[in-house]
Amino acid sequence: QQQVKQSPQSLIVQKGGISIINCAYENTAFDYFPWYQQFPGKGPALLIAIRPDVSEKKEGRFTISFNKSAKQFSLHIMDSQPGDSATYFCAASIEGGNEKLTFGTGTRLTIIP
Amino acid sequence: DTGVSQDPRHKITKRGQNVTFRCDPISEHNRLYWYRQTLGQGPEFLTYFQNEAQLEKSRLLSDRFSAERPKGSFSTLEIQRTEQGDSAMYLCASSTWARRTEKLFFGSGTQLSVL
Repeated sequence: QQQVKQSPQSLIVQKGGISIINCAYENTAFDYFPWYQQFPGKGPALLIAIRPDVSEKKEGRFTISFNKSAKQFSLHIMDSQPGDSATYFCAASIEGGNEKLTFGTGTRLTIIP
Repeated sequence: DTGVSQDPRHKITKRGQNVTFRCDPISEHNRLYWYRQTLGQGPEFLTYFQNEAQLEKSRLLSDRFSAERPKGSFSTLEIQRTEQGDSAMYLCASSTWARRTEKLFFGSGTQLSVL
């Protein structure tokens, strides 16, 4: 059972543009939503995370938008740079449980000059 | 380097052989997780430890898989009688569990190829 659906599978954005990746979840018990960035040959690294008590969180060029009623959240990368080219995973977990993360299937982002 | 360390980085084995992977977490972290990642997919949870206690195992973890964390430090993941379907990246992650501040740090993984 895939509990976190992620789209698109791949994304090409011009340098300086906005990259947008979307995720939808099914389990209403989820209450922690991180985004991870993974480069080839490396493990995922936490980028930014949000909890459902806020609708938006911004850290530098990265913003998470969260819509609790729609059970959706998205990652926006402003002023996208070639160094942002990587695979991005959304994830979700239930705090107060074992905190294990359920990941989406990933979005391969390519920033072109 | 004080990050999560995994060894080996790559392992090629023949079907039916046993393999063992090691994970050294960040030293002060009391939680350790194992995930499996196949090509084009997100990591899938396998099991986790709090200190030396194994608190949960996924249904993905068949009886051919066993994980240990003696003394609550490093962990090993053993796969017995490997099958071609076991080919994947095995990721280890660690964290310090404190309410509302959980952050998982992943290692670079062990890439297993079963021929």
